[in-house]
Amino acid sequence: GQQVMQIPQYQHVQEGEDFTTYCNSSTTLSNIQWYKQRPGGHPVFLIQLVKSGEVKKQKRLTFQFGEAKKNSSLHITATQTTDVGTYFCARGSNYKLTFGKGTLLTVNP
Amino acid sequence: SAVISQKPSRDICQRGTSLTIQCQVDSQVTMMFWYRQQPGQSLTLIATANQGSEATYESGFVIDKFPISRPNLTFSTLTVSNMSPEDSSIYLCSVRTSGRGETQYFGPGTRLLVL
Repeated sequence: GQQVMQIPQYQHVQEGEDFTTYCNSSTTLSNIQWYKQRPGGHPVFLIQLVKSGEVKKQKRLTFQFGEAKKNSSLHITATQTTDVGTYFCARGSNYKLTFGKGTLLTVNP
Repeated sequence: SAVISQKPSRDICQRGTSLTIQCQVDSQVTMMFWYRQQPGQSLTLIATANQGSEATYESGFVIDKFPISRPNLTFSTLTVSNMSPEDSSIYLCSVRTSGRGETQYFGPGTRLLVL
């Protein structure tokens, strides 16, 4: 499937700082999904975005889907140590997922 | 929701041998997949496990190397055949549930080290 580019690859923040990871595609996405993988764990589904310009919030997490449906972002407000992990975006096509390379977030307490 | 278990959770194998990984889901699911995650890398789809028919493999993966069975809607196996050190990875079973709010779930993974 078509790749999705995810940046940054790594992000280290102080606890309380905000964090954003970005996902970009050269082609239009039918949907974009976000996953979190804790160190040593497996990916856990966070959300799926389908509509152009969609914005969804889960507590301190804000997910956006671009108007052109070619990019998406995940923003965490006031990070906590429990936010540590790798955040992956994944494009969905015919129920198959193509994952970005992920952004590893570390949080200094 | 769906709860997925995998066996074994981890294994160390000798090159040239084969390992069969089992995936059990606590509910009937239509869509079942196998992914591979190499150390420090992202996830790559190996194949879609189809109930009652041959699995559908992604580019770069073949049935002879990764035979898959799916005898019913709650169970699947993935075999890693004639292993080499390059097969050292985490192998993850995944299911997609339908209905109100489609969600994809991943099993805990099988950590494979090939010596």
